[in-house]
Amino acid sequence: GNSVTQMEGPVTLSEEAFLTINCTYTATGYPSLFWYVQYPGEGLQLLLKATKADDKGSNKGFEATYRKETTSFHLEKGSVQVSDSAVYFCALSEDDYKLSFGAGTTVTVRA
Amino acid sequence: EAGVAQSPRYKIIEKRQSVAFWCNPISGHATLYWYQQILGQGPKLLIQFQNNGVVDDSQLPKDRFSAERLKGVDSTLKIQPAKLEDSAVYLCASRRKGQGAFNSPLHFGNGTRLTVT
Repeated sequence: GNSVTQMEGPVTLSEEAFLTINCTYTATGYPSLFWYVQYPGEGLQLLLKATKADDKGSNKGFEATYRKETTSFHLEKGSVQVSDSAVYFCALSEDDYKLSFGAGTTVTVRA
Repeated sequence: EAGVAQSPRYKIIEKRQSVAFWCNPISGHATLYWYQQILGQGPKLLIQFQNNGVVDDSQLPKDRFSAERLKGVDSTLKIQPAKLEDSAVYLCASRRKGQGAFNSPLHFGNGTRLTVT
């Protein structure tokens, strides 16, 4: 079956530090890949997405590249801010309707 | 555009009691999902509706969980009787009809946090 494995947290960083959250997946076909984010007190919302190998999703300074050869979709941001403190979820969709989520990674950015 | 509304925000019950959660999706969104998010885990799909019909309930523990979406708008999720392991956040999400995961992201509500003691 489909599954997503994320880097365990929590991750604590200082402002302007580089952030990487690792995500690898297992799928029988060619899934679409997503990063969702949950800010404190808010619902999950889509951060970025990619549909095929070598596609790069980007939003709010975050980037992730769909790597088919390593079945990975690592999330990166070059300079984090306090406002990036949130829980980040990697997810995949193989049938275009059902999302399978990773366990989530809690990121805290200190001023 | 108003978001997905859920209530209550928090609920504490004793085991073997029953509980119900309510969800009002974004207007015009035909597809509705209920997810269960246990602490430290990612959301797990319980049930998916398309209008008022069930599309996928393969992971819904049907001996104690039930869900309905009368008239294809609001939805309720019920647990009866509750067990300790049902403690989780129950998330409702919606999407426009005919648009898949890539072209139309899920819109999530803030969830209902259930504690079973």
